[in-house]
Order: sequence, then C-alpha cells, then structure tokens
Amino acid sequence: LAKTTQPISMDSYEGQEVNITCSHNNIATNDYITWYQQFPSQGPRFIIQGYKTKVTNEVASLFIPADRKSSTLSLPRVSLSDTAVYYCLVGDMNSSASKIIFGSGTRLSIRP
Amino acid sequence: DAGVTQSPTHLIKTRGQQVTLRCSPKSGHDTVSWYQQALGQGPQFIFQYYEEEERQRGNFPDRFSGHQYPNYSSELNVNALLLGDSALYLCASSWGVTMNTGELFFGEGSRLTVL
Repeated sequence: LAKTTQPISMDSYEGQEVNITCSHNNIATNDYITWYQQFPSQGPRFIIQGYKTKVTNEVASLFIPADRKSSTLSLPRVSLSDTAVYYCLVGDMNSSASKIIFGSGTRLSIRP
Repeated sequence: DAGVTQSPTHLIKTRGQQVTLRCSPKSGHDTVSWYQQALGQGPQFIFQYYEEEERQRGNFPDRFSGHQYPNYSSELNVNALLLGDSALYLCASSWGVTMNTGELFFGEGSRLTVL
C-alpha cells in the first residue's frame, strides 16, 4: 500500500479556506485517495474520496493532479467545529483491513 | 439506522488485569475490525473478524484476542494489561473482508486507562 506523508499540524482562522496536502509518491494505478476526519474521543469518519482531477461534496473538495503523486483536501470557510485530525489514505476498491494505514494525520486547529 | 456502538465508553483497570470491550456493527455490516489509538497517534489495526473467525491480524501480541458472534457483534479481550495498553480502542464495521478504503464506519471508541 502506498505510504502517505502529511503535515503534522496546521493552524487557521474562522472563515478562511484551508488546504491540506498529502504526498503519495508510490500510488498504484488502482488506488483511490480517501480522507477521514476525527474529532477528539471519536472514531474517524469518511469525508471524501477521489481518483483523479477534482471531487466536491457538501463538506470538502479534493484536488488530484494528473500524476496523482499528491492530493489536496480543501475545506472552504472553516469554522471552529472543523478543528480535528485529518487522515489521508491510499488504497484500492478491494483493500484488506490490515493494509489500510492511517498514519498520524494532520492536526488542524481553527482559531476565532 | 443505528451506527456502530461500543461499550463501555470509559474504563480504568490496573496492570495485570483483563478487559473485554464490545462492539455492535452498523446495520447491514458483517465484518468488524478493531483498532488501537494511542494519544496523538493514528489508529493501529489490531485484527478483523468475519464469519466468526479472525481473518487478518496486525502486529499485536497474543494477549489481544477477540470473538465474533452470529449476530456479527464482536468482543476484544486484552489479558495481562500493561501500562502501554492505555488507549482509545476503536471498532469499525464494514461489509465483506475486503473493502473500499472509504467504507469503514467507526464507533466512538472505548477509552481504556491502565494504572
């Protein structure tokens, strides 16, 4: 499974757009990029998933360049409630649980 | 539609004791995976249960064991507790042994403190 690298932490302010970049140089042809969000003392929850170009849902956008060696999670107009840890994962549609690696994630802190 | 439920939410044990944590998967799911999350770290895969059998295992000692019942609920047992076992234990449910990486549904976890 492709290893991912993310910044350990990021800070921003309410109302700003936040972009978190994940590096996955060894991504395989069949791999998708998935992001999870985790609040303190809760389990991670799915945010968004994509394969190439751009994906947008009601929560976030995911930008994936043509070479797919990195991806950027974009959170528009963040609020205090977006303070959480964000995990970038890479895997295909039939991953075994033992190969789904969360890593340490990016700790996002939003200030008033 | 109930999501993944875990119990207890918090518990405190002493070194050497044994603990059992419980998980009920999301309705329609038949597979349960357990994770250990130490403070400041990402979730680490312990093992997965499907059709009442352990199917995959991460790098955890035999002190960690589990069980899955016919109704798909699962238990995680940890024997001879060590201080280092203090963590948030997460249960995730899914359908089938393999999955899309975006198809893990997590419970809120059981916070274990070992004194």
